[in-house]
Amino acid sequence: GAVVSQHPSWVICKSGTSVKIECRSLDFQATTMFWYRQFPKQSLMLMATSNEGSKATYEQGVEKDKFLINHASLTLSTLTVTSAHPEDSSFYICSVLGIGGADEQYFGPGTRLTVT
Amino acid sequence: KQEVTQIPAALSVPEGENLVLNCSFTDSAIYNLQWFRQDPGKGLTSLLLIQSSQREQTSGRLNASLDKSSGRSTLYIAASQPGDSATYLCAVSPPNDYKLSFGAGTTVTVRA
Repeated sequence: GAVVSQHPSWVICKSGTSVKIECRSLDFQATTMFWYRQFPKQSLMLMATSNEGSKATYEQGVEKDKFLINHASLTLSTLTVTSAHPEDSSFYICSVLGIGGADEQYFGPGTRLTVT
Repeated sequence: KQEVTQIPAALSVPEGENLVLNCSFTDSAIYNLQWFRQDPGKGLTSLLLIQSSQREQTSGRLNASLDKSSGRSTLYIAASQPGDSATYLCAVSPPNDYKLSFGAGTTVTVRA
């Protein structure tokens, strides 16, 4: 399977600041990546689909101007939480879409964001 | 909209007992179903993927079955060990799309 990394693994920021989270596919070129959010004791909710070289597709209810996604290369997608607020505190996980017919997704280790 | 339900929400068993985790989904038109393991504060590890044309997949002590017509999948873990303690998530994707819909998970505790 694919190896996916995220940076940072955890971050604390003050309300009103912006935070960038990186998702890297380490061993193959990923044209499609996904960003999920997970609140405590809840499941993962898809936020957006990130396609290399084009604009991200956001799920209903996700503010595209607040959660900026950039997929500028085949190995890197970034999620920037702009003007973060305490309610944005969550666990953010990215995944990459594997190649081949099964379309399996491989997940990163996640980034814990705490906004104070 | 696809709804994925996992029952039970939590499960505690003594070591050595077999585990049975259930996943149901409302729309039987799926492309594939994946089972994942998530340790506290960590990302997801893919355990098994079952394509819609398959009825089961096996990997070591793990076996997952899929009954697409009834919208159900079951994950069996044989001879459980304390290291199996984690949250297990199932997720389905629709045809012609890669988006995964997740269940809320079953948190398993295996007591030594």
